[in-house]
Amino acid sequence: DTAVSQTPKYLVTQMGNDKSIKCEQNLGHDTMYWYKQDSKKFLKIMFSYNNKELIINETVPNRFSPKSPDKAHLNLHINSLELGDSAVYFCASSQGQYEAFFGQGTRLTVV
Amino acid sequence: QKEVEQDPGPLSVPEGAIVSLNCTYSNSAFQYFMWYRQYSRKGPELLMYTYSSGNKEDGRFTAQVDKSSKYISLFIRDSQPSDSATYLCALAYNAGKSTFGDGTTLTVKP
Repeated sequence: DTAVSQTPKYLVTQMGNDKSIKCEQNLGHDTMYWYKQDSKKFLKIMFSYNNKELIINETVPNRFSPKSPDKAHLNLHINSLELGDSAVYFCASSQGQYEAFFGQGTRLTVV
Repeated sequence: QKEVEQDPGPLSVPEGAIVSLNCTYSNSAFQYFMWYRQYSRKGPELLMYTYSSGNKEDGRFTAQVDKSSKYISLFIRDSQPSDSATYLCALAYNAGKSTFGDGTTLTVKP
């Protein structure tokens, strides 16, 4: 049974479009995250939610809007996609001081 | 200067070798030290977690933290081809906010 699952795995879209990525965790963790990993493998936190409440919001363009309908779900909506948004987006969840489980990633390509 | 610097690699070793992966950091407030392994086209998976200084061993893996030198290491003994992956160090001082190194790609040749 997958602990942290993201959909879709791959997303190819044109510049200017709006897209969403969904994440669900079945571990009962209180905290969920979105990370962006660029082509050089650098992993950077974007957002963190604890029990549906936003607790970390790094310097991310406001075209990116996270939403947590409940503590098991964290979605990421991206408006007006740009070429530079192409990356792998990872969702993660934890119950403690460190990230424990990552999803398999969503590979976003903006053309 | 980055908060966390990781030896860039790539690293290529023969099967059975001892591997040493290293990170240095500048912020003495870091209290939590993690190592993740990431296979190609997969998400990172937590390998080792250490709080404060000291050593921690788990099978063939040993994590070492030297807070006085601001230096952390991951040692892999008897390396196997299945250990071929990118290894990421991650450090945290606040709940849930980790800063990651850039990763070191390791190839273990049979």
